Amino acid sequence: EPEVTQTPSHQVTQMGQEVILRCVPISNHLYFYWYRQILGQKVEFLVSFYNNEISEKSEIFDDQFSVERPDGSNFTLKIRSTKLEDSAMYFCASSPNREETQYFGPGTRLLVL
Amino acid sequence: RKEVEQDPGPFNVPEGATVAFNCTYSNSASQSFFWYRQDCRKEPKLLMSVYSSGNEDGRFTAQLNRASQYISLLIRDSKLSDSATYLCVVSYNTDKLIFGTGTRLQVFP
Repeated sequence: EPEVTQTPSHQVTQMGQEVILRCVPISNHLYFYWYRQILGQKVEFLVSFYNNEISEKSEIFDDQFSVERPDGSNFTLKIRSTKLEDSAMYFCASSPNREETQYFGPGTRLLVL
Repeated sequence: RKEVEQDPGPFNVPEGATVAFNCTYSNSASQSFFWYRQDCRKEPKLLMSVYSSGNEDGRFTAQLNRASQYISLLIRDSKLSDSATYLCVVSYNTDKLIFGTGTRLQVFP
């Protein structure tokens, strides 16, 4: 069964450093998403991406965040200057179209020191 | 008021028991409803979509009450493997999923 993959599984970084989280969505999917979950809290939407542009973003997704689909398979989330409060599990998801189920990857656990 | 509210639990039930979770949502324009399951430190996985007429998948039954803005999940004949956090999820006419904080279920032998 096809699945969403994410790398790395864990990342530790210093405050102020840039991080890039990588995702490979399911191959025939057209909609891509990033969510995050701070430890002990709910899953929160960050951004959705379709047709090579952002279709929706949340208040969390400020100028420090960016997304990119650099080639036909990868979908990345960049945090330019990490803050302590960016420590969370980041989930990538994809869906075939807007109305269908979103399938989540296993997540990247980011720890900012 | 939170967009999606759930009782955090935990619900501790013996194997074979029937357990029900409830969820309320604040936005009457919500159009799609789901139950996801999340195991500890893992990704959310779709358990089932929730339809207006109610739907069943094996031991799991989901109900939607649009008038009361209320969703429920019933698990019959609980198994040890059902132990997880159950996430109530809604979306309106938009891409994003809105998650509740989840209800933790622990099934004991």
